[in-house]
Amino acid sequence: TAGITQAPTSQILAAGRSMTLRCTQDMRHNAMYWYRQDLGLGLRLIHYSNTAGTTGKGEVPDGYSVSRANTDDFPLTLASAVPSQTSVYFCASSEGLNTEAFFGQGTRLTVV
Amino acid sequence: KQEVTQIPAALSVPEGENLVLNCSFTDSAIYNLQWFRQDPGKGLTSLLLIQSSQREQTSGRLNASLDKSSGRSTLYIAASQPGDSATYLCAVRWIYNQGGKLIFGQGTELSVKP
Repeated sequence: TAGITQAPTSQILAAGRSMTLRCTQDMRHNAMYWYRQDLGLGLRLIHYSNTAGTTGKGEVPDGYSVSRANTDDFPLTLASAVPSQTSVYFCASSEGLNTEAFFGQGTRLTVV
Repeated sequence: KQEVTQIPAALSVPEGENLVLNCSFTDSAIYNLQWFRQDPGKGLTSLLLIQSSQREQTSGRLNASLDKSSGRSTLYIAASQPGDSATYLCAVRWIYNQGGKLIFGQGTELSVKP
């Protein structure tokens, strides 16, 4: 079972450019999440979606946008990348708001 | 403020030892607590999920306990092996948080020496 697939695995991006990180899950989970992981700061929530068609802001949403057109896909877009967005990005999903969460393998993004 | 704390930040033990990792959290109004394992450069692997109504969960050599009233959880690893070396993260879902978000501790980096 694939679970959660993130693409790309890693990327070097010039500052000011835009990029979309892709996340697809095959578990038909309702809830999906984007986290970033930074040394010393741990994992922080960027955006979330409880069901297809709805999204919400997490702790660190500035500079990021998301959409949830269907159950399976939850892309994260950086409209104009800045060096502080250099991080490892993880997509996660869960069936409901109080069920087990599963994570993808991450996208390592470097903004130069 | 909702916080999750994991102590110690790093732990080194010889192979075969039983060990306990600690997680504490503010406020007992939780849905559940989940333990994860993260290998270097990899994603998070779910180990155990404890619902707020449960006291413990077991999977193989792992046993996680939850004391909601005191805001504590422990992850017990029996007969540790070098393959258990990884960072262990605990994450809490609070009831009144929008979106069911997980709030993570900083993790405990475990090294099991052969």
